[in-house]
Amino acid sequence: NAGVTQTPKFRILKIGQSMTLQCTQDMNHNYMYWYRQDPGMGLKLIYYSVGAGITDKGEVPNGYNVSRSTTEDFPLRLELAAPSQTSVYFCASSFGQAQETQYFGPGTRLLVL
Amino acid sequence: QKEVEQNSGPLSVPEGAIASLNCTYSDRVSQSFFWYRQYSGKSPELIMSIYSNGDKEDGRFTAQLNKASQYVSLLIRDSQPSDSATYLCAVVSGTYKYIFGTGTRLKVLA
Repeated sequence: NAGVTQTPKFRILKIGQSMTLQCTQDMNHNYMYWYRQDPGMGLKLIYYSVGAGITDKGEVPNGYNVSRSTTEDFPLRLELAAPSQTSVYFCASSFGQAQETQYFGPGTRLLVL
Repeated sequence: QKEVEQNSGPLSVPEGAIASLNCTYSDRVSQSFFWYRQYSGKSPELIMSIYSNGDKEDGRFTAQLNKASQYVSLLIRDSQPSDSATYLCAVVSGTYKYIFGTGTRLKVLA
């Protein structure tokens, strides 16, 4: 099992550019999550999904979009990159509800200049 | 008031000592509590989960939960330099509301 994988590991974007952060899990987990972590801060939930075709907003969804067409994949889309989106992005998954352990991917470091 | 509060540290302890990490939360109906360890530049990994009042032990780690006082703690016995990391407390309320604290940085001095 690869667990949760994320690509790319690092990316530099110019203001106004768009990109998609990829996340894939091979554990057949129903729940998937996107977090951002700013330096010295905790994790903030951006979006989450409880299964294919079902997504919902977390604490900080503005400027992001998601889709979940399969159980395995949960891409995060940035449409118009802004410096405030400079952060480390983590994808996570859990088998059942949020009461269960979340397994994290290695993260994507994004720098918007 | 923040939903989940932790002292940012750093908490410095000598090798072999007990490290005590604390976390308080504001939502009384919180049901599940987790401690994650995060090394610098890495992703969080689960250390302990606890769901009911009292202590839960796993090797050198003990999680303690007191729902009446709304706090959860993590004790690390016989601390090792490899335990040096940031420890994130996470509290779950409802079906998805998984709230992380900002983390406590632990430094174990050899």
